[in-house]
Amino acid sequence: DIVMTQSPATLSVSPGERATLSCRASQSVGSNLAWYQQKPGQAPRLLIYAASSRSTLIPARFSASGSGTEFTLTITSLQSEDFALYFCHQYSNWPQTFGQGTKLEI
Amino acid sequence: QITVKESGPMLVQATQTLTLTCTFSGFSLNTDGVAVAWIRQPPGKALEWLAHIYWDDDKRYSPSLKDRLTITKDTSKNEVVLRMTNMDPMDTATYFCAAAISFWFDPWGPGTLVTVSS
Repeated sequence: DIVMTQSPATLSVSPGERATLSCRASQSVGSNLAWYQQKPGQAPRLLIYAASSRSTLIPARFSASGSGTEFTLTITSLQSEDFALYFCHQYSNWPQTFGQGTKLEI
Repeated sequence: QITVKESGPMLVQATQTLTLTCTFSGFSLNTDGVAVAWIRQPPGKALEWLAHIYWDDDKRYSPSLKDRLTITKDTSKNEVVLRMTNMDPMDTATYFCAAAISFWFDPWGPGTLVTVSS
């Protein structure tokens, strides 16, 4: 199985600042990576697919990059609604796997 | 607009079989390349992919749960059913279904919390 490792586990940032979240794959997944945002009691929401493409209606302050084994999600000018849990997901190989998540807190 | 929603029991007894239904709208499981997936999330823990079913009835299962899972579809009802046998308290989790029109999951259903009682 491909192990997805996210860092840090918790990231404390102030509103208006930039947050950088990392996701590392134990082997190359190409660009077959997605990022999701999850708020308490809610289902995950797709933010990014194909490593760097923003999903519909996702604000431009969310951007992502990377390929192979190293990926980054960047959120600029953090808004209050951005404080949530973020997961990466590789869909390159079976079984599909998720990272353990990064909690973005104020 | 694509929607998906899970339904099933909130409580099952250990050793019983869990049956969950995903009802969707806004797309067809007869369309080339389309799939529906099940994912679960134990309380306070990470997401775990369980199974996929494709438009052509191709099925994929988590290797660690493969012997306990069965995924089926009813395209006439726009439903996907997941069965998990021999439930254990460790299987307590929120179970999500999600559309996989492309390769990623979008959208997800709201999830259904299943508690397994010993």
